[in-house]
Amino acid sequence: NAGVTQTPKFRILKIGQSMTLQCTQDMNHNYMYWYRQDPGMGLKLIYYSVGAGITDKGEVPNGYNVSRSTTEDFPLRLELAAPSQTSVYFCASSPPHATGADQPQHFGDGTRLSIL
Amino acid sequence: AQSVAQPEDQVNVAEGNPLTVKCTYSVSGNPYLFWYVQYPNRGLQFLLKYITGDNLVKGSYGFEAEFNKSQTSFHLKKPSALVSDSALYFCAVPRMDSSYKLIFGSGTRLLVRP
Repeated sequence: NAGVTQTPKFRILKIGQSMTLQCTQDMNHNYMYWYRQDPGMGLKLIYYSVGAGITDKGEVPNGYNVSRSTTEDFPLRLELAAPSQTSVYFCASSPPHATGADQPQHFGDGTRLSIL
Repeated sequence: AQSVAQPEDQVNVAEGNPLTVKCTYSVSGNPYLFWYVQYPNRGLQFLLKYITGDNLVKGSYGFEAEFNKSQTSFHLKKPSALVSDSALYFCAVPRMDSSYKLIFGSGTRLLVRP
């Protein structure tokens, strides 16, 4: 069982370039999330999705876009890379919260992105 | 608004000694509380959760957490630390407006020395 898979693991971009961070999960989870992790700042939610075709902004969405065409995949797009987007990006998924907020999230191993 | 605080950036303990990683919370209503661990170059892994019931919650890798309503705390504990426990630990609480979204603390780095 692969869980949540993120690619690439590392990437260096030049300012103004664009790229897509890939995320796929094989647990049939409805809910998926993108976070960024900056040193000493914990995790900040960028975008999330409650199912295929449905996405919404989190705390720090500026400079990013997402799509959710299938249950499995939730790619994150950076259109015009800026140095402030240098970070570690994590994708996560969780089952539906039919019974409340008690379902843990499952995380991928992250993409380390540097913008130079 | 829901929030969690981890007052210590780093905790240092010797192998074999008990460890405590602190977390305090501010929530409306009955809290759901989580602990996650992050090993180097890995994503976060779920350790344990408190929903209701027994104030002492047992989780993975021998960790447990004590829910204290009067002190609004949810401290992570382990009776005997291992060097392999060295990692970054996060407590988290669901958002009030959208309970499937989590608010994470800033993290506490645990260093267990041999």
